[in-house]
Amino acid sequence: DAKTTQPNSMESNEEEPVHLPCNHSTISGTDYIHWYRQLPSQGPEYVIHGLTSNVNNRMASLAIAEDRKSSTLILHRATLRDAAVYYCILRDDSNYQLIWGAGTKLIIKP
Amino acid sequence: DGGITQSPKYLFRKEGQNVTLSCEQNLNHDAMYWYRQDPGQGLRLIYYSQIVNDFQKGDIAEGYSVSREKKESFPLTVTSAQKNPTAFYLCASSSSLRGNTEAFFGQGTRLTVV
Repeated sequence: DAKTTQPNSMESNEEEPVHLPCNHSTISGTDYIHWYRQLPSQGPEYVIHGLTSNVNNRMASLAIAEDRKSSTLILHRATLRDAAVYYCILRDDSNYQLIWGAGTKLIIKP
Repeated sequence: DGGITQSPKYLFRKEGQNVTLSCEQNLNHDAMYWYRQDPGQGLRLIYYSQIVNDFQKGDIAEGYSVSREKKESFPLTVTSAQKNPTAFYLCASSSSLRGNTEAFFGQGTRLTVV
């Protein structure tokens, strides 16, 4: 199964954009790239997902490299409520396992 | 409001006892999942179910059992055979197992063996 690599932690200032990177060099052509975030002692929350093209929604944007071996989650204007652990995971129609790594802990400084 | 409800939020168990964690969804989703999360770690899949009366083992199914008698319910039993059951347990659902579907999670049950 393809796996992802993320930095353990990142810091950003409030009201500034945040770019969270994810490497997935062994991604297959049918893998979707999903992002979730998790607050302490809560269940993960879906953020965004994409296959090949960049995606935007009300929470964030997802930029996918042309070779699909990496992606970046973009929070356009971070707030203190965005402080969480962000997980980048891969999923296709046969990969029910949704392999989760330890994610990136995002710290927002006021 | 539609969503996933897990109960209880906190659960204490004596060694050697079986306990059952509840998971109910009103999203009309076909697929449901159980994950385990240990401190500072990602999620690991215990069991998943694609449809009523059918379920499959995940990565760490030993010591756990599930049932799927109703579409909206997917209870998890932690048996005495699970050697290290203290963990945070998360239930999730999605409309299908397809890769382009998002998963919705409950708020979790924190199980502690005393």
